[in-house]
Amino acid sequence: AQTVTQSQPEMSVQEAETVTLSCTYDTSESDYYLFWYKQPPSRQMILVIRQEAYKQQNATENRFSVNFQKAAKSFSLKISDSQLGDAAMYFCASMDSNYQLIWGAGTKLIIKP
Amino acid sequence: DTGVSQNPRHKITKRGQNVTFRCDPISEHNRLYWYRQTLGQGPEFLTYFQNEAQLEKSRLLSDRFSAERPKGSFSTLEIQRTEQGDSAMYLCASSFDSGRGRYEQYFGPGTRLTVT
Repeated sequence: AQTVTQSQPEMSVQEAETVTLSCTYDTSESDYYLFWYKQPPSRQMILVIRQEAYKQQNATENRFSVNFQKAAKSFSLKISDSQLGDAAMYFCASMDSNYQLIWGAGTKLIIKP
Repeated sequence: DTGVSQNPRHKITKRGQNVTFRCDPISEHNRLYWYRQTLGQGPEFLTYFQNEAQLEKSRLLSDRFSAERPKGSFSTLEIQRTEQGDSAMYLCASSFDSGRGRYEQYFGPGTRLTVT
């Protein structure tokens, strides 16, 4: 069975600084997708970025980028130039061949003004 | 495109009562998913549909839970004889599957269930 682990329950960063959120996963499949979702307080889950396992190039979306280390089964999220609106719970998730999303426990990101 | 909508947003019920939640996916999406999220945790997969067919059910989904997606459009999730342990946020998501890849899921705002 797939598992996703986020070892940082909470992280804080100064506004405009860079922060990296960690995620490790375990899967026996060769074809899988990885995602980072953001869940602001009392608001819905929003996709931040996705990575296909067969792609070696790390995905980027504006200020968000990932460091995908396939051999190490690591998938960290880097947020550059942090903004107050980035404050949220961040969830790492993997999708297997059954199209199920397997989620980590989340990391609460606090942005200090 | 108005996104995924869920109704009601909040539901308070007494233990033993039945509740039903509705999810309206993004109109062109053929896949629909239900998840349950408890406070401080990531979502847990419950079930999903491709069009009107229910293709997968989690072992978490006891026989008190039933989901339908008639005509492959909106979906309902019913919980019978609710228990306090059913208190959670119930999330619905949808995606489009063209058969050429696994696409991201778009989430609704959730229905928060409180069983007293």
